[in-house]
Amino acid sequence: GQSLEQPSEVTAVEGAIVQINCTYQTSGFYGLSWYQQHDGGAPTFLSYNALDGLEETGRFSSFLSRSDSYGYLLLQELQMKDSASYFCAVRLPTGANNLFFGTGTRLTVIP
Amino acid sequence: NAGVTQTPKFRVLKTGQSMTLLCAQDMNHEYMYWYRQDPGMGLRLIHYSVGEGTTAKGEVPDGYNVSRLKKQNFLLGLESAAPSQTSVYFCASSFGLEETQYFGPGTRLLVL
Repeated sequence: GQSLEQPSEVTAVEGAIVQINCTYQTSGFYGLSWYQQHDGGAPTFLSYNALDGLEETGRFSSFLSRSDSYGYLLLQELQMKDSASYFCAVRLPTGANNLFFGTGTRLTVIP
Repeated sequence: NAGVTQTPKFRVLKTGQSMTLLCAQDMNHEYMYWYRQDPGMGLRLIHYSVGEGTTAKGEVPDGYNVSRLKKQNFLLGLESAAPSQTSVYFCASSFGLEETQYFGPGTRLLVL
């Protein structure tokens, strides 16, 4: 089976940097994805790490270390609109692009 | 492009009633998925399809059936709704392997 652990809540100040961690246990996976979901909204794709290392997309960066079974999402120059839930998800080797999601981290950005 | 759309947006059912949720995508995606999301939890895969005419079970398939008669549509059926099926249902689609999944706006279902 699979398990993904994320902190349930994180609070950070506008303009600051925040890191959301994701530790996983899985028998195999292709890579680690991150999705953002605002209250009442649909999940939207942020980033994907197929290989170990850092992927940068604007203010967002994501990191994966397979040897440590660990990844994180880094959000820089936080804005109020970044207040949302963030989910890590492993892409499973099922031949169907299946994702297994963590339980999510609710980020609150305060002024 | 409308992307992924879901019908209806909200529905209230009584225990034992049946209903069908419709998902449509106009991106010519091969793969489609149905998830449910409960409070404080991540998305859990119910069923998925890797192409027209194919379906497969995901993590939590019990009490649900699906059909993919047309490539652009993926239907989720509840034959006899139960209160435990109260949830928000999301449909998603992707072009292929290792491709981003695009999600619809969700259907909020309340079973009384």
